[in-house]
Amino acid sequence: QVQLVESGGDLVKPGGSLRLSCAASGFTFSDHYMSWIRQAPGKGLEWVSYISSSGSAIYYADSVTGRFTISRDNAKNSLYLQMNSLRAEDTAVYYCARDQIHFDSWGQGTLVTVSS
Amino acid sequence: QSALTQPPSASGSPGQSVTISCTGTSSDVGGYNYVSWYQQHPGKAPKLMIYEVTKRPSGVPDRFSGSKSGNTASLTVSGLQAEDEAEYYCSSYAGRNNLKVFGGGTKLTVL
Repeated sequence: QVQLVESGGDLVKPGGSLRLSCAASGFTFSDHYMSWIRQAPGKGLEWVSYISSSGSAIYYADSVTGRFTISRDNAKNSLYLQMNSLRAEDTAVYYCARDQIHFDSWGQGTLVTVSS
Repeated sequence: QSALTQPPSASGSPGQSVTISCTGTSSDVGGYNYVSWYQQHPGKAPKLMIYEVTKRPSGVPDRFSGSKSGNTASLTVSGLQAEDEAEYYCSSYAGRNNLKVFGGGTKLTVL
């Protein structure tokens, strides 16, 4: 069965950096588009970034453009999100999800807290 | 990247039907048949319930159905059960740069 497991969430100071990882299994990772989606505490869902199956097409939400970088390693069945210049408003649970325009599989999420 | 508009809450008694609306614009909901719905229980990851407006993934009960008219999509839950109590989010493809937008969520309470 499809499994997505995020890791890397932590407490970080404003202006700091963090790299999230998502390990995929149970499907042919290299055949699928992937996205990161976040949810601030007590708030709704926000799509963050998308990467095509080969990594050749990448898109970001306006709120993270220029600060976040999505990447993938198909040999390692892994998705990444490099987050720089973090702000308090980036505090959220970050989910990786398989992207088929709809998100048909989600990980359990990893918590990123940006606070001094 | 405006969020889609959902009512903050909805409720119904066991066995009843409830419909949750999701209003967007011609640039998202009205422009594409790529509306999806997600169920989220507290502390859990979202779960896909409806995709491409009306389609149900394998394993989702047929009590859940979706529809769309113009710029408004709807999720109907028939024969409400206690386990349906959760937060529900709609989402739509919004074209430019593979943008996806979400609604603010609707808390469904089974009375």
